[in-house]
Amino acid sequence: SAVISQKPSRDICQRGTSLTIQCQVDSQVTMMFWYRQQPGQSLTLIATANQGSEATYESGFVIDKFPISRPNLTFSTLTVSNMSPEDSSIYLCSVEDPGGAYEQYFGPGTRLTVT
Amino acid sequence: KQEVTQIPAALSVPEGENLVLNCSFTDSAIYNLQWFRQDPGKGLTSLLLIQSSQREQTSGRLNASLDKSSGRSTLYIAASQPGDSATYLCAVDNQAGTALIFGKGTTLSVSS
Repeated sequence: SAVISQKPSRDICQRGTSLTIQCQVDSQVTMMFWYRQQPGQSLTLIATANQGSEATYESGFVIDKFPISRPNLTFSTLTVSNMSPEDSSIYLCSVEDPGGAYEQYFGPGTRLTVT
Repeated sequence: KQEVTQIPAALSVPEGENLVLNCSFTDSAIYNLQWFRQDPGKGLTSLLLIQSSQREQTSGRLNASLDKSSGRSTLYIAASQPGDSATYLCAVDNQAGTALIFGKGTTLSVSS
């Protein structure tokens, strides 16, 4: 299994500002994913991040708004840019453990409130 | 496009009751199906993983079954406890190395 940590765990930000969320994994993984969970909703994929290549974004999400870095096999960041109250969500990173069954594990999430 | 549906959306039961949560998916060509638990405002905890070639998996009081051809999975919780109160999410992926597609979840409340 993989153990994932995220920073910050929560933040309250003003509209128009940006926040960078960090995701750290305790083992080397190829695939990392960033999801958003809006209040009362299920998880929606923002992008897939592979080390050494550009992130792949889902429909409705763009790089200018959600830039992602993946500098190595254990770390990734997601930035939420020019925030508005509609960006208030829980942001979660996950990894796929290739050690057999490709089970996916999630970090504890970052709870973002934009005022 | 794969879609995942979970029924019921919410469920309230007294402690000790056995219960079944349902999950259906529209495209039977899945790779894995996972059940997760999410406590309010928290991340996801993986409960059970069923690979496409498997029919069921068990962990403690939890048993998940998979009928791939009919696009259905059930999560059976035996002898429910108040600590089981949470939202249960079902998710599938269509191949290794791809993201999960989630249902909207079933919110379970177990009263003592």
